[in-house]
Amino acid sequence: EDQVTQSPEALRLQEGESSSLNCSYTVSGLRGLFWYRQDPGKGPEFLFTLYSAGEEKEKERLKATLTKKESFLHITAPKPEDSATYLCAVETGANSKLTFGKGITLSVRP
Amino acid sequence: GAVVSQHPSRVICKSGTSVKIECRSLDFQATTMFWYRQFPKQSLMLMATSNEGSKATYEQGVEKDKFLINHASLTLSTLTVTSAHPEDSSFYICSARAFLAGVYEQYFGPGTRLTVT
Repeated sequence: EDQVTQSPEALRLQEGESSSLNCSYTVSGLRGLFWYRQDPGKGPEFLFTLYSAGEEKEKERLKATLTKKESFLHITAPKPEDSATYLCAVETGANSKLTFGKGITLSVRP
Repeated sequence: GAVVSQHPSRVICKSGTSVKIECRSLDFQATTMFWYRQFPKQSLMLMATSNEGSKATYEQGVEKDKFLINHASLTLSTLTVTSAHPEDSSFYICSARAFLAGVYEQYFGPGTRLTVT
C-alpha cells in the first residue's frame, strides 16, 4: 500500500526564518510527486510536480527537491502570507491516483 | 495554470434529501476527474475516479449507490449525494487532470461545503 508521511505536523516560523518541510514516501511505481498549498476552506493550489530523483523546481520563495525516498519543500525567508497547510501527494498507478500525506501547517509570525 | 470550478460552494440540506455538486474544467478538457472528501484538520481522501463516457471507479469503502458520479462531457463531472445524512457533512473537492506544457498535472476546484441537518 502506498504511504506518504509529512513532517513536522506543524511548524511555526518567524518572518525571514528559512526552513524545510519533509515528505517521505513508500510507493510502488512513482509517476510523480506533487506539492500543493491549501488555505482554510479552500481547495488545494498547485505548486510543483517532480518526476525523477534529483529534480528541483523553484517558485518565488519555494523550492522543491526529490530523492528516491523523500521530497523537501524549502521555504526561504518566509512571509506571513506563506502561512497555510502544505500537502504532499504521490501519483501512482495507471489511473493517476493521488495519495496524500496529512499535511504540514505552517505559521509565519511577522 | 488550469482552472477548475465547483458549484455550489456551500450547500445546506435536510436529512434524506439529495444534493448535486458540479465540477467543471474551464479552460481545458479533462478525460479524468477525481472526487475527494476532506474532514476538518485531515487530509484529502480519494472517493472515486471519474472517466468521461464510462462508469466511475470507486475507492474501497465508498458506497457507489450513495455517491453517484456522472462524467457526461470532457468539461463536466457531477457528484450526487443521495439520501444525505448528517455524517455525510464534509468538504467535497474535485480535481481534473490537465495536459499542459507536455506533462500531466492535477488541478483542484475550490471545494463544496456540505452540511446535512
